[in-house]
Amino acid sequence: GAGVSQSPSNKVTEKGKDVELRCDPISGHTALYWYRQSLGQGLEFLIYFQGNSAPDKSGLPSDRFSAERTGGSVSTLTIQRTQQEDSAVYLCASSLGGTGVGNIQYFGAGTRLSVL
Amino acid sequence: AQSVAQPEDQVNVAEGNPLTVKCTYSVSGNPYLFWYVQYPNRGLQFLLKYITGDNLVKGSYGFEAEFNKSQTSFHLKKPSALVSDSALYFCAVRDPNRDDKIIFGKGTRLHILP
Repeated sequence: GAGVSQSPSNKVTEKGKDVELRCDPISGHTALYWYRQSLGQGLEFLIYFQGNSAPDKSGLPSDRFSAERTGGSVSTLTIQRTQQEDSAVYLCASSLGGTGVGNIQYFGAGTRLSVL
Repeated sequence: AQSVAQPEDQVNVAEGNPLTVKCTYSVSGNPYLFWYVQYPNRGLQFLLKYITGDNLVKGSYGFEAEFNKSQTSFHLKKPSALVSDSALYFCAVRDPNRDDKIIFGKGTRLHILP
């Protein structure tokens, strides 16, 4: 597709359940990012993939959060045993990767997660 | 590690007046700096960036930003605000000598009053 695609657009789950959020980056973009945007808060960095390098997981808030990127394209963010404080909009972005280049990030519309 | 600060949670400006949204940054080397805008119920959109060259960068929708190395700032400006400029604005920074990771500020909500 023409842009970054995220699914589902909305997800309501019960506390303690696991959820999977999907991101389809722009074709050819080697860098992929996950952010979390809580109500009234800014963008919180979660994880960053660049090509075949080991991902930068420094932003993941707990070991309940994990992400993978298969074949250098689609990424899945998994939250295990969801808690109410996980409720937020999860944003995915992609860009042309590579150091030394001011690549623009293109964002998906996000997945709004509500944990009841 | 790189970081970026947006000291104002909210900025109110009357329509037609000039606006400024502040951003300061911290990186170990020369930064790459970005501004993004998020309109209600929409994803983030790129506005402008500073990589190198002229300190004054012009972007979309009449916005511009001035890179000031001595003050480590990259404030967003527009000479005459429109009601349609009301949105959430994010400043972001990347250290080009490290990796492609980009860190965003907490955002500033801009209200343009008619």
